Amino acid sequence: GQQVMQIPQYQHVQEGEDFTTYCNSSTTLSNIQWYKQRPGGHPVFLIQLVKSGEVKKQKRLTFQFGEAKKNSSLHITATQTTDVGTYFCAGFGSGAGSYQLTFGKGTKLSVIP
Amino acid sequence: GAVVSQHPSWVICKSGTSVKIECRSLDFQATTMFWYRQFPKQSLMLMATSNEGSKATYEQGVEKDKFLINHASLTLSTLTVTSAHPEDSSFYICSADAGQGTEQYFGPGTRLTVT
Repeated sequence: GQQVMQIPQYQHVQEGEDFTTYCNSSTTLSNIQWYKQRPGGHPVFLIQLVKSGEVKKQKRLTFQFGEAKKNSSLHITATQTTDVGTYFCAGFGSGAGSYQLTFGKGTKLSVIP
Repeated sequence: GAVVSQHPSWVICKSGTSVKIECRSLDFQATTMFWYRQFPKQSLMLMATSNEGSKATYEQGVEKDKFLINHASLTLSTLTVTSAHPEDSSFYICSADAGQGTEQYFGPGTRLTVT
């Protein structure tokens, strides 16, 4: 079945450093979503990418969807302590797999002040 | 480790009937499980938080009597959609908290179609 791998599992950065998490799917995705979960909270929707090669920005966050629609990345520039949390990617498959949303296991980001 | 399963993965039912969806943590105990609903191409919407041995906490706008949640054990939570209608057709996904809100693992989801 469809699998979504997310790396790294954990990332510790000094405040002000950049951070990137990567998501790779075993199959082509129709779209991919990114969520952020603060410690003790629930995943909060950040963005959805649909088009091949799409790049979207939200302030210091840059989201990218690969040309083959099988991978995606989230890049945070100049991290702040408020960026702490777990970032999940989740993708809907295409074709016969389009009914299944598969989550990556998340990347837990720690920011050292 | 940390696998969450859901059953069934896909169900079609007639209007007026009830459907039960199970969410199981296979290799860990989860005192808290969460139920989400997702419409096509949209983001997850938290429906309720299910705590083992106590009543679920529902989000605003979610009908408690329509979406019955039971968390009978540390590895099982169930969501029952009662008197289902076509507008209940959606993708329902659960997640389980592995401990103290730090790690959350998602199930594969259940697609409900009400005809």
